[in-house]
Amino acid sequence: QKEVEQNSGPLSVPEGAIASLNCTYSDRVSQSFFWYRQYSGKSPELIMSIYSNGDKEDGRFTAQLNKASQYVSLLIRDSQPSDSATYLCAVRMDTGRRALTFGSGTRLQVQP
Amino acid sequence: DAGITQSPRHKVTETGTPVTLRCHQTENHRYMYWYRQDPGHGLRLIHYSYGVKDTDKGEVSDGYSVSRSKTEDFLLTLESATSSQTSVYFCAISETIDSNEQFFGPGTRLTVL
Repeated sequence: QKEVEQNSGPLSVPEGAIASLNCTYSDRVSQSFFWYRQYSGKSPELIMSIYSNGDKEDGRFTAQLNKASQYVSLLIRDSQPSDSATYLCAVRMDTGRRALTFGSGTRLQVQP
Repeated sequence: DAGITQSPRHKVTETGTPVTLRCHQTENHRYMYWYRQDPGHGLRLIHYSYGVKDTDKGEVSDGYSVSRSKTEDFLLTLESATSSQTSVYFCAISETIDSNEQFFGPGTRLTVL
């Protein structure tokens, strides 16, 4: 079992819809959670970080964290074609590691 | 973009040759990381540094070494390149370990023939 799991997709949504991206992680004591967006051929770009249970909103993006279920999600409201990218979930696992563990990413396609 | 550059941006080399990739930052961040990205594997940590001359291994460190003699530079060396090291290499930096928000450089595409 991978430590951070994401559905590879592609997830296809129409323009203007809500895109829901999901991520599960294996280490129950993980503390920090991040969402990165990566356009094809480009480097990952940090778009959201979340550290406590609940929702965190930033513009059209909402990150949701449920530590009991070991689940973190990213909602993108009013999806735009420019949101089409691969979204990477990253987790800092509190096992003495100082780096992040990444999922393989979910490819999102927003259809005009 | 955060002040991170990587050089070279593209490199083609032959099996058995040594290769050094450079990451340079202007943010004065303490922590620096090297990742590789391959289809189906996502980003995997090779090595990281938590200060000048302080480095540690990541999950895929075999065949790689690193050095950090200055805060701003983190070098990744493939002592004897193999075809399995064909990949895209990303450098990342973070200011603190507590938040661990990492910012990535533009990447280096390495092809080993």
